Amino acid sequence: QSALTQPASVSGSPGQSVTISCTGTSSDVGSYNLVSWYQQHPGKAPKLMISEVSKRPSGVSNRFSGSKSGNTASLTISGLQAEDEADFYCCSYAGSSTFVFGTGTKVTVL
Amino acid sequence: EVQLVESGGGLVQPGGSLRLSCAASGFTVSSNYMTWVRQAPGKGLEWVSVIYGGGSTYYADSVKGRFTISRHNSKNTLYLQMNSLRAEDTAVYYCARVNEVTDAFDIWGQGTMVTVSS
Repeated sequence: QSALTQPASVSGSPGQSVTISCTGTSSDVGSYNLVSWYQQHPGKAPKLMISEVSKRPSGVSNRFSGSKSGNTASLTISGLQAEDEADFYCCSYAGSSTFVFGTGTKVTVL
Repeated sequence: EVQLVESGGGLVQPGGSLRLSCAASGFTVSSNYMTWVRQAPGKGLEWVSVIYGGGSTYYADSVKGRFTISRHNSKNTLYLQMNSLRAEDTAVYYCARVNEVTDAFDIWGQGTMVTVSS
């Protein structure tokens, strides 16, 4: 149950796009299309942004998109806005009814 | 309104016990998968435990044998019984609903802080 690997931080100017990677193994990310992404603002609870690799829940901006290739999933934020500044976490089903989160990425809007 | 509200956090000595509660409104706990996730101060999210609609329970290795997830159907409440607490269990504990199809955590509570210290 090792945490999925994410970059500690990414940054971009307003209007730009940023991509956050989430690298796991063939036992988690690589085996299941059950990767989700969460946004967490300081002192707040996480919020679901993407499920099943690339599906946006109702109410989530279409500026957020997800994808996966092999053992690595990615979250892209397009048209970066000030309110996107937050921590982002990926999460994958890891088999045997367990889950594993990523290490987390701080997104900074310059 | 669909909502989860945690309670029961606090300060406990190493080796002690604590029971967290998560009261749900707007949906039925027993008909859903429910989970606990924790976040140590300044650290990332860590999955702790899940209970399925049929009652099966699963745990992260870090808490297996010490924590027990359960629910009270008539109170529509989820619980986490934490025994043999260690300093490394210090964290904000969140409960969340798990979407059975997507395995995504779609509804979260506001969290409750647990501090394990002498």
